[in-house]
Amino acid sequence: AQSVTQLGSHVSVSEGALVLLRCNYSSSVPPYLFWYVQYPNQGLQLLLKYTSAATLVKGINGFEAEFKKSETSFHLTKPSAHMSDAAEYFCAAANTGGFKTIFGAGTRLFVKA
Amino acid sequence: KAGVTQTPRYLIKTRGQQVTLSCSPISGHRSVSWYQQTPGQGLQFLFEYFSETQRNKGNFPGRFSGRQFSNSRSEMNVSTLELGDSALYLCASTGEGSPQETQYFGPGTRLLVL
Repeated sequence: AQSVTQLGSHVSVSEGALVLLRCNYSSSVPPYLFWYVQYPNQGLQLLLKYTSAATLVKGINGFEAEFKKSETSFHLTKPSAHMSDAAEYFCAAANTGGFKTIFGAGTRLFVKA
Repeated sequence: KAGVTQTPRYLIKTRGQQVTLSCSPISGHRSVSWYQQTPGQGLQFLFEYFSETQRNKGNFPGRFSGRQFSNSRSEMNVSTLELGDSALYLCASTGEGSPQETQYFGPGTRLLVL
């Protein structure tokens, strides 16, 4: 069965520092991959997605992610953290032939002033 | 274009009661998925509806059910509520429900079971 693993339930960075949130998927066929962000008391919002067009995907708010098939990874990065980036981030995967998306457990990002 | 709306936003029920939650997708979207979000289990897929038919179902007991209407609005029902059903229930809509589509989430319904 497909699964998504996010390393680190909590990540803390200083404002202006690099943000790196890790995501690994397990699937024999590379899936479609997504990063969503959730702010308190809100639903999830798409940051970016990988659909096999390009391995480096740029999203909103300065985030980007690189698909690495050899490492089955799709890590999310942002060069310089901003206080407004504090939120919970979810990596997700979906395959053709299925109609459900599998979400990782989430990583809560804290940004220190 | 209006986003996904969910009603009610907050709900308090007691054990043994039943509850119905509503989700209105983005206009033109035909697929609606439901998720349960809890601190311990994270986001868990409940079911997905497309054109009034349930296409996929997660691993939840039969107390959890849903339906979709001809206007794509969806409801989910939980019968005989248990304390463990306390959660944020999210619905998401897409155009066709194909795996590469972005899911657009509503703000959720927070259910507290006492």
